[in-house]
Amino acid sequence: QQQVKQSPQSLIVQKGGISIINCAYENTAFDYFPWYQQFPGKGPALLIAIRPDVSEKKEGRFTISFNKSAKQFSLHIMDSQPGDSATYFCAGRWGAQKLVFGQGTRLTINP
Amino acid sequence: EADIYQTPRYLVIGTGKKITLECSQTMGHDKMYWYQQDPGMELHLIHYSYGVNSTEKGDLSSESTVSRIRTEHFPLTLESARPSHTSQYLCASSRPQNTGELFFGEGSRLTVL
Repeated sequence: QQQVKQSPQSLIVQKGGISIINCAYENTAFDYFPWYQQFPGKGPALLIAIRPDVSEKKEGRFTISFNKSAKQFSLHIMDSQPGDSATYFCAGRWGAQKLVFGQGTRLTINP
Repeated sequence: EADIYQTPRYLVIGTGKKITLECSQTMGHDKMYWYQQDPGMELHLIHYSYGVNSTEKGDLSSESTVSRIRTEHFPLTLESARPSHTSQYLCASSRPQNTGELFFGEGSRLTVL
């Protein structure tokens, strides 16, 4: 199975709060798990990524937590800001840079 | 910073018309991709190319075709557009170093009446 299941579909968080988006996968051949951020009218852009031999990766306010045994990973956005309002996609990579994307989460940060 | 350009950004056409969506990148990337993005947001790989004269179908079956005659150019063609082809089409490329990062264009939003 090459699916990546993402939840929730939409999320509303107050400014300064923590946004959490979850993903689960079945394909153990995935060797790289990126998160992409997409603003309206734009293409997705890489936000942060992790390899399955690492349990956590942090870049500024963005953290990926990875649980290999559970085949789950999540994105945490600390101190969420209105500028973080966007659609977020998790993905798994297999077969020389073929990405399988999750269904997307529309995040809204209320001021 | 990758530069990848898609034209047209928006296209409204009638059923049965032939259309070509253009995609060009100036980074010299060998690998290029076309994704179809549903109105509900999900991205599906429909075509990819690992270099000149290389094209493969992706995970989602598509009636579109692609060509890769030049490294920088990866156009997508629909011979006879139908309303079911209405979608956003995103072109992407990636570095040869296999970093796993895709650089996306801004997309072509196609509406077939």
